[in-house]
Amino acid sequence: GAGVSQSPSNKVTEKGKDVELRCDPISGHTALYWYRQSLGQGLEFLIYFQGNSAPDKSGLPSDRFSAERTGGSVSTLTIQRTQQEDSAVYLCASARGAGTNEQYFGPGTRLTVT
Amino acid sequence: GQSLEQPSEVTAVEGAIVQINCTYQTSGFYGLSWYQQHDGGAPTFLSYNGLDGLEETGRFSSFLSRSDSYGYLLLQELQMKDSASYFCAVRGGGAGNKLTFGGGTRVLVKP
Repeated sequence: GAGVSQSPSNKVTEKGKDVELRCDPISGHTALYWYRQSLGQGLEFLIYFQGNSAPDKSGLPSDRFSAERTGGSVSTLTIQRTQQEDSAVYLCASARGAGTNEQYFGPGTRLTVT
Repeated sequence: GQSLEQPSEVTAVEGAIVQINCTYQTSGFYGLSWYQQHDGGAPTFLSYNGLDGLEETGRFSSFLSRSDSYGYLLLQELQMKDSASYFCAVRGGGAGNKLTFGGGTRVLVKP
């Protein structure tokens, strides 16, 4: 079956512009996560959605970052007024549900802010 | 808060055995996971330890000691395709399924 997909694969934007990154999780997976990975670094948790529960936004680095998940499926991560330090690979992952150990990652969106 | 420590890089030859250690400090703990990531690729799940002991999956094994806040990933019969970064990750914190990742260990397998 289809895995997690993300779009765009690459995004170059000018400082100060807004960007939207999209994630399509595996069908039927109720848990969805966003992570950020800087070059050569580990993954930094951003936000977690589980079913209809309120999302865990504890990892969002500033109020310029927001995310939503519509219909319990597709998710969009929005970064407003992008800064150069936002440049990173943004990874989305989904899992069958809360308490599931295995997370399935998408290929990521490489964001470059010039 | 939570933090994980693992070596930054390991080099070994084909056929050898590599052990990647991971020590963690966490305010809540539900288990230790390991992920593999090839350059330019997405992380893929390797193993999970929720209880103390050894879990074996083919050439890879993972170990956990909760009393020592320590785990390791053992790669046996190394192959060239095992050259990748390996991340340990802890489930814990505010949302039980949130993962906190270590900085990753880059494994380079030489012929």
